[in-house]
Amino acid sequence: DVVMTQSPLSLPVTLGQPASISCKSSQSLVNSDGNTYLNWFQQRPGQSPRRLIYKVSNRDSGVPDRFSGSGSGTDFTLKISRVEAEDVGVYYCMQGTHWPGTFGQGTKLEIK
Amino acid sequence: EVQLVESGGGLVQPGGSLRLSCEASGFTLKTNWMTWVRQAPGKGLEWVANIKQDGSEKYYVDSVKGRFTIARDNAKNSLSLHLNSLRAEDTAVYYCTRGANFANWGQGTLVTVSS
Repeated sequence: DVVMTQSPLSLPVTLGQPASISCKSSQSLVNSDGNTYLNWFQQRPGQSPRRLIYKVSNRDSGVPDRFSGSGSGTDFTLKISRVEAEDVGVYYCMQGTHWPGTFGQGTKLEIK
Repeated sequence: EVQLVESGGGLVQPGGSLRLSCEASGFTLKTNWMTWVRQAPGKGLEWVANIKQDGSEKYYVDSVKGRFTIARDNAKNSLSLHLNSLRAEDTAVYYCTRGANFANWGQGTLVTVSS
């Protein structure tokens, strides 16, 4: 299985400051169809996960533009330009290129 | 609006069985792969099983192969997961998700395996 490694696992951030989460895969996530199926999810406390970003850099509907995704191959990043209180929660990267789909361990974002 | 509503969770003894259901609305079920994902208490997310649009292909994570069965009824806009030979390590919230890349999630249903 493809191993997804996130860092950091804990991310204390001051309100209004930027935040960045790294996700590295053990294999290239470029699919034979040319797409890279790397997604980012947010799970707020007590809630279900919600997809934020799909195929590396595409924001889902309703996701604030302060969230952005980038990367290629095996290295990917989720950035929040200015952290707000509602961003507290756990963030997961997930690959859907190779079967079975696998998630990173999660990064817990908290307000400093 | 896309909605996924899971049900069927509960407390079951080791070796027991449960049937989880997911009722879908706000989109055409028959055009989507559907996936079950689980989350053990205080832990991360784990892909469990998925099923192709017409039900012709089904895939399972190794730890549940031979014990869990995924199924769908497109006419009734529903997805199911039959859990057999349950173990303590199957204790988790089970989520129904839309698509191969989990575009939408339900609220989850808790399965607790304990004597």
